[in-house]
Amino acid sequence: DVKVTQSSRYLVKRTGEKVFLECVQDMDHENMFWYRQDPGLGLRLIYFSYDVKMKEKGDIPEGYSVSREKKERFSLILESASTNQTSMYLCASGLQGVHEQYFGPGTRLTVT
Amino acid sequence: AQSVAQPEDQVNVAEGNPLTVKCTYSVSGNPYLFWYVQYPNRGLQFLLKYITGDNLVKGSYGFEAEFNKSQTSFHLKKPSALVSDSALYFCAVRDATGGGNKLTFGTGTQLKVEL
Repeated sequence: DVKVTQSSRYLVKRTGEKVFLECVQDMDHENMFWYRQDPGLGLRLIYFSYDVKMKEKGDIPEGYSVSREKKERFSLILESASTNQTSMYLCASGLQGVHEQYFGPGTRLTVT
Repeated sequence: AQSVAQPEDQVNVAEGNPLTVKCTYSVSGNPYLFWYVQYPNRGLQFLLKYITGDNLVKGSYGFEAEFNKSQTSFHLKKPSALVSDSALYFCAVRDATGGGNKLTFGTGTQLKVEL
């Protein structure tokens, strides 16, 4: 079974803090993705990576950055957290080509 | 740009009745379509996908989806709903940009199955 794990299920941070969200997959997938999920808006892609050290912006990259130093690990960084970044963050991984993505359990981040 | 629409925010159905969760798509080129389910406080789980071939696609947990090219639809169906099917359902379409590896998701449909 594919396993995608995220470092925290719940996280509370203060405005202005630097926040790291970690994601690890164990299936040697080339692609990894970070989404945020908000009610009524569905999932929106923040960043994705198709190889180590490679990254591409998704639909809403502003205020975020990412790092992929190893194939199995993809980190999302909020350089200076703001209250409008309060959301559910979902990581996913998948093979190259037309394949399904596998999701982690999500991190519910609250910025106060 | 590729997109999917889920016209219903919520669908209510009685247990034992058939259920349908609607999805329409807009793509340039061949459509590659997916359905996912999300149970409370969980990540998304893959249900099924349409790439090519039969218009009726069978997936996990007894779900199936019907691809209709003329109506640009990919509705999710199940012949007999269970209370445990109550969850949030997302339709998604492959985005041809970004090397073809991205998915664009709909806004989700909350399915509620009642006794």
